[in-house]
Amino acid sequence: DADVTQTPRNRITKTGKRIMLECSQTKGHDRMYWYRQDPGLGLRLIYYSFDVKDINKGEISDGYSVSRQAQAKFSLSLESAIPNQTALYFCATSDDGTSGTDTQYFGPGTRLTVL
Amino acid sequence: RKEVEQDPGPFNVPEGATVAFNCTYSNSASQSFFWYRQDCRKEPKLLMSVYSSGNEDGRFTAQLNRASQYISLLIRDSKLSDSATYLCVVNPMNSGYSTLTFGKGTMLLVSP
Repeated sequence: DADVTQTPRNRITKTGKRIMLECSQTKGHDRMYWYRQDPGLGLRLIYYSFDVKDINKGEISDGYSVSRQAQAKFSLSLESAIPNQTALYFCATSDDGTSGTDTQYFGPGTRLTVL
Repeated sequence: RKEVEQDPGPFNVPEGATVAFNCTYSNSASQSFFWYRQDCRKEPKLLMSVYSSGNEDGRFTAQLNRASQYISLLIRDSKLSDSATYLCVVNPMNSGYSTLTFGKGTMLLVSP
């Protein structure tokens, strides 16, 4: 089984709808991240969480919210989806950095289309 | 100046060729550096970390030049399976207190 999973893998929705993307991990990592990837723009950080009680805004948090329900689960919500939120969304995890590495492990991605 | 800059490519090379990518970063306080590989429509995966002394993993060699603030990746004896986008990744601060910054990637296409 994959260490980092995302659901759904693909979603088509309409403008104004509320959407939740879910991420689960079995790596036992404290840190979790949400990114979006757009052609020509690379990966951009939306939100991140260093532990269950910690939530931080990333580079492009407007229009998004997150919930860290447990160490293993980190959800991303689009409160009212708009077409320019059409993108490939990735969840990632990493350990707490004390082992000397901050490697991030990515989920398979969710392709979201907002019509 | 963008935080992490890469030539987007594509770099078109024949099998067996040697190819090199460079990446520059703007924050001189950056502490750790990586190359990730991303296949089309797939998630990024760590290829290798980049150490100050340079490091090699099989056909792949990574170098760091802190004075000039650039990172390089050399691929020898290119394989068809090396075709992918290579992301330069930098941790701009101490790894315990910040996140990673990703370059936009350099696309490599290896042809028969």
